[in-house]
Amino acid sequence: GGIITQTPKFLIGQEGQKLTLKCQQNFNHDTMYWYRQDSGKGLRLIYYSITENDLQKGDLSEGYDASREKKSSFSLTVTSAQKNEMAVFLCASSPNQDTQYFGPGTRLLVL
Amino acid sequence: SQWGEENLQALSIQEGEDVTMNCSYKTYTTVVQWYRQKSGKGPAQLILIRSNEREKRSGRLRATLDTSSQSSSLSITGTLATDTAVYFCAIYQGGRALIFGTGTTVSVSP
Repeated sequence: GGIITQTPKFLIGQEGQKLTLKCQQNFNHDTMYWYRQDSGKGLRLIYYSITENDLQKGDLSEGYDASREKKSSFSLTVTSAQKNEMAVFLCASSPNQDTQYFGPGTRLLVL
Repeated sequence: SQWGEENLQALSIQEGEDVTMNCSYKTYTTVVQWYRQKSGKGPAQLILIRSNEREKRSGRLRATLDTSSQSSSLSITGTLATDTAVYFCAIYQGGRALIFGTGTTVSVSP
C-alpha cells in the first residue's frame, strides 16, 4: 500500500503572506489533486495535475498557484492569504477514475 | 439530499439503527462514488456504483444509482458508533476532475 503525506499539518499565516503547502505520494499515481474544504461545505477542487509538469485549474483556482515538478509531489501556494481565512486543504492522488486516495489535510488559519 | 452549495445535512441516530442518505446531481454520469470522512482525516472511498449495477452492496453498505432521476443513495444497516462521519457522493465532471457533493454528517450515538 501507499501513503499520502501533507506538510505542514497546521499552518498559521499573516494576511497578505504567501503560503506553500506540500503533498507527497508513494503510490506512483499519475494524477494528483488539491481540494479546499471549508466548515459547512463540501470539497472544492482548486487544481489538479494529470502528469509531471501538467496543471489544470479547478473551480477555485483564483488566489492559488500549483506546481508539479515531479510525479510524486504536488505543491499548492496561497498567493496572498486573506485575513480570518480558515480552511482545510486536502491533497489526493488517483490511478484512474475509479478512486482517489486522500492525505490527512493541512489546516490553515490566517490571523 | 446533498449537492450544490447548500449547507451540510446532519443526521443523528442511535447505534443499531439503519440510515440512508441521498445524492442528486445535474451532470449526467454512469458512475457514482461514495466517500466517508472521519473527524480530522481525509476522505476514504467506501463504494463505487455503475449504472449497469443499479444496486451494490459491500458489508453493511448498500448503494443505489438511478440515472433517470440522476440520483444515488447510500444506506448503512446496523450502524455503529464508528460510522460517525461525513459522507460524500462524488462524480466526474469532464476529464479527471472528481466533483464532491456537500456531504451528509451522520452522528451515531452508542
